[in-house]
Order: sequence, then C-alpha cells, then structure tokens
Amino acid sequence: GNSVTQMEGPVTLSEEAFLTINCTYTATGYPSLFWYVQYPGEGLQLLLKATKADDKGSNKGFEATYRKETTSFHLEKGSVQVSDSAVYFCALNPSRLTFGEGTQLTVNP
Amino acid sequence: DTEVTQTPKHLVMGMTNKKSLKCEQHMGHRAMYWYKQKAKKPPELMFVYSYEKLSINESVPSRFSPECPNSSLLNLHLHALQPEDSALYLCASSRPSGTAADTQYFGPGTRLTVL
Repeated sequence: GNSVTQMEGPVTLSEEAFLTINCTYTATGYPSLFWYVQYPGEGLQLLLKATKADDKGSNKGFEATYRKETTSFHLEKGSVQVSDSAVYFCALNPSRLTFGEGTQLTVNP
Repeated sequence: DTEVTQTPKHLVMGMTNKKSLKCEQHMGHRAMYWYKQKAKKPPELMFVYSYEKLSINESVPSRFSPECPNSSLLNLHLHALQPEDSALYLCASSRPSGTAADTQYFGPGTRLTVL
C-alpha cells in the first residue's frame, strides 16, 4: 500500500535558521507529491507540489525536490520566520491523498 | 482562485441535535471530499463525491449523511452525534481526472464540538 513517513516533531528553530523536514514515501506507480501547511486554528493550505521525478516544487521560500531514487520529498527553507510556525504535512496522491503524521514547527524570535 | 469556503466556522451541538455543515467551491471542480481531523493528527477521509455522485464512503457511521446538491455545493448532515465526533471537519475539492496530478484544495474547516 501507499504510505508517507515524516520526521517526528516537534521541531523548534530560531528565526533565520535553516529548515529541513524529511519525508519519504512508499507507493506503487508514479504518485504526485505535496506539502500542505496548517496554521493554528485553520484548514490545510497547499504549500507546494511536484508531479514527476526530479521536479522541484517551490513557494514562499520553501522548496522540495521529488527524488524517485531515494523515494523522498524533503521540505527545505533557507531562513525561517516566526510566521512559518505551523504543522507541515507531506502527502502523496496516486488516486487519493495519503498523509504523513505531520511535523509541528515552532520558530522563536 | 483556489478558494473553498465552509460554514459555519464553529459549531456546538448536543447529542440529540440535527445540524448541517456546508462547503462551496467555484473552481469548476467536480470532485469534492469530506475529511475529519482530530487534534495533532492528519485528516482522515470520510466521503468522496465525483460528478455529484457518492463514490467513496470510508465506512462512516450513518449519523453522518453527506449530500451534493450541485457541482459547487457539498453538505454534511449531522444527527445524534457522540462526543468523540468532536473534531475539525474539512472540505476539499479537485478535478476528478483520476490522475496523480489532481490537487486537492481545502477549506478552512468547521470546528465541531459535541456536548
């Protein structure tokens, strides 16, 4: 079956630090990969996506590259801000969305 | 525009009440979804509508009754809920092309509390 494994949180960083949230997946076929972000008290927002191997998704300074050889889609940002504090979900979609468990990120000033 | 709207934002109901959650999108999407999300967990799929027809029911108890009156609207009717049904209920929509490229867009959710 399909599955997504995210690094366990919570993750706490200082403002302007470098962020990596690891995501690996197991899937049959060629899924699309997504990162969603959920700010406190809100719904999920699509952060970025990639639909085929070696694609790089990017948005708001966040990036993730679809690596088929390592079945990974790690989320990175060069300099985090307090406003990036949220829960981040990695997900894949060969036919329905399969989510990872989520990673809570807290950025301190 | 990738907006999905949901009303109400918050809902408190007793176990004997009947209430409805509403979801609307104007992106021309023909697939719509209901998810349930408990605190600190990922969303769990409940129902999928494709072209206004129910295509997936993830063995959800009958006290939850979905309805898709047209291609833009999705309702979730609630009756005789239990306290453990308290959660954030999320609506999403996408193109129902059945390909891996489909992207689901989520609404802000309805925070439901069952007393």
